[in-house]
Amino acid sequence: KNQVEQSPQSLIILEGKNCTLQCNYTVSPFSNLRWYKQDTGRGPVSLTIMTFSENTKSNGRYTATLDADTKQSSLHITASQLSDSASYICVVSGGDYKLSFGAGTTVTVRA
Amino acid sequence: NAGVTQTPKFQVLKTGQSMTLQCAQDMNHEYMSWYRQDPGMGLRLIHYSVGAGITDQGEVPNGYNVSRSTTEDFPLRLLSAAPSQTSVYFCASSLDNSQGTDTQYFGPGTRLTVL
Repeated sequence: KNQVEQSPQSLIILEGKNCTLQCNYTVSPFSNLRWYKQDTGRGPVSLTIMTFSENTKSNGRYTATLDADTKQSSLHITASQLSDSASYICVVSGGDYKLSFGAGTTVTVRA
Repeated sequence: NAGVTQTPKFQVLKTGQSMTLQCAQDMNHEYMSWYRQDPGMGLRLIHYSVGAGITDQGEVPNGYNVSRSTTEDFPLRLLSAAPSQTSVYFCASSLDNSQGTDTQYFGPGTRLTVL
């Protein structure tokens, strides 16, 4: 069974600090990996999509990395803001219509 | 564009009742899907559609029916609600997902409680 594991489950950081979220996957074959941000009570919103050949992709203060050899990805948040408080979901596609979702990492940014 | 819209936002049902969760998109997307989100678990695919008149089962289809008569609408029907169907339901759409590369756009969700 394809799996996507995220760590940590939750974290608390002070405003202005950086943090890194981890995603390990066993999905095979692999097509692409996505990171979504989900605010409380809202639907997920896409942050980045990376294919096999991409090692890093940025979206503002969010930078995602991908190591397809070790099947690991990370999402780095720089200079966190209160609005970054959300759940961050790692999603892996095997190249068909079905996506494998991680359970998410809940980030709380405190002033 | 309104994007992906879902109604209702909240719903409480009694065991055995039936209902339809509505989903619509105005982006002319071919691919639409329904997910459920439960605490501590990733989103799980219930049903999906690759175009009008075409639907298929996802990971957890039991107890749910779908149809796709138009490109815009993709309703999800609960046939006989059970407490195990208490969850948050998300509808999503993308232009084409045959290669799994298109961005999916999610609706705001429907929070369903079955008593």
